[in-house]
Amino acid sequence: GEDVEQSLFLSVREGDSSVINCTYTDSSSTYLYWYKQEPGAGLQLLTYIFSNMDMKQDQRLTVLLNKKDKHLSLRIADTQTGDSAIYFCAETSDSNYQLIWGAGTKLIIKP
Amino acid sequence: DAMVIQNPRYQVTQFGKPVTLSCSQTLNHNVMYWYQQKSSQAPKLLFHYYDKDFNNEADTPDNFQSRRPNTSFCFLDIRSPGLGDAAMYLCATSRPQAGADGDTQYFGPGTRLTVL
Repeated sequence: GEDVEQSLFLSVREGDSSVINCTYTDSSSTYLYWYKQEPGAGLQLLTYIFSNMDMKQDQRLTVLLNKKDKHLSLRIADTQTGDSAIYFCAETSDSNYQLIWGAGTKLIIKP
Repeated sequence: DAMVIQNPRYQVTQFGKPVTLSCSQTLNHNVMYWYQQKSSQAPKLLFHYYDKDFNNEADTPDNFQSRRPNTSFCFLDIRSPGLGDAAMYLCATSRPQAGADGDTQYFGPGTRLTVL
């Protein structure tokens, strides 16, 4: 079946860039998403990318999509303490508008 | 601002005592979802409504029911909560359609359920 995989943890120093990676198996993916979840909170949509794009930039966030390798990444420039959260990668496909989720990557910021 | 609202934010119930969680939305989206999330794991879809059509996930226990009286409101009923049902319950909405943003799901802040 369809699967989305992420590393469970990423530790970076404040001010550095964070790169969170995600791989997926569904070649018919149409949209790929990044959600952010702070402790005790709901899921905040950060950004999404359509499968016919290879890059999307929004302020400090850059999403890169390598459709051939089925690899998605989220780069956060100038990482701040407020970026501490769990970041979930998710995708939908043409056949089913429901989300397939990764396990989430916990971003830890070191001072 | 258009949004997804969940009430209450925190709910404590006793083992076996029915509980209802509520979700409302001002986005006028036709699809509403209920997810269960444990210990910062990925959210697990329980069921969703596409307009008035109810769609249950195959592995959702019978203990969980849902009602959608109108476009704006959706309820999650847990008939006999067990200790294993303690979790964050997330409501989301979407408006599947061709074009940008069609499948994007927007989440409420969640209700954290504690079962004593």
